Amino acid sequence: GQSLEQPSEVTAVEGAIVQINCTYQTSGFYGLSWYQQHDGGAPTFLSYNALDGLEETGRFSSFLSRSDSYGYLLLQELQMKDSASYFCAVGSGTYKYIFGTGTRLKVLA
Amino acid sequence: DADVTQTPRNRITKTGKRIMLECSQTKGHDRMYWYRQDPGLGLQLIYYSFDVKDINKGEISDGYSVSRQAQAKFSLSLESAIPNQTALYFCATSDGREETQYFGPGTRLLVL
Repeated sequence: GQSLEQPSEVTAVEGAIVQINCTYQTSGFYGLSWYQQHDGGAPTFLSYNALDGLEETGRFSSFLSRSDSYGYLLLQELQMKDSASYFCAVGSGTYKYIFGTGTRLKVLA
Repeated sequence: DADVTQTPRNRITKTGKRIMLECSQTKGHDRMYWYRQDPGLGLQLIYYSFDVKDINKGEISDGYSVSRQAQAKFSLSLESAIPNQTALYFCATSDGREETQYFGPGTRLLVL
């Protein structure tokens, strides 16, 4: 079957670093994406990894290990506005896009 | 103006009624998608379309149908709405190059 696993909730304080992990099982894998969704809002794209390694975009970085079927999103210098849900998604040969159930990040002052 | 728009933004309907949700985009993307999101859960793919003549079922297509009227328009229909179709519905587009999807603001549907 096809599945993604990510923690349901993560809590951290302002200014800290937090890592949100994602493990996946799918056929026809061709990339891992990350999306951010604030309460009541639409998902917005954060990053995409097609190849192994780290991709950095400002305070956010994303990592992929295809051999381990694993990736993570790293958020640095956390700000209150980073409180949101974060979804990993994989490109799949069957249904094209499969989303995880999301990780709710709470940033405390 | 928003690149991906959805109408209506909120809708209340009764069991058995037919309802259509509409999505329009100005991004010029060929690929369009419909998802539903239940509270506290991820996004489930209902249907996707890679061009006007290409329509494909997603994970949860039962009870839904779609129409791709033009490159810019992709509609989702519930032929006979039922309460467990109460959810938040998102339309998304993609140019297919980097697996990046652009989402509309969502339609909140309540079926009584």
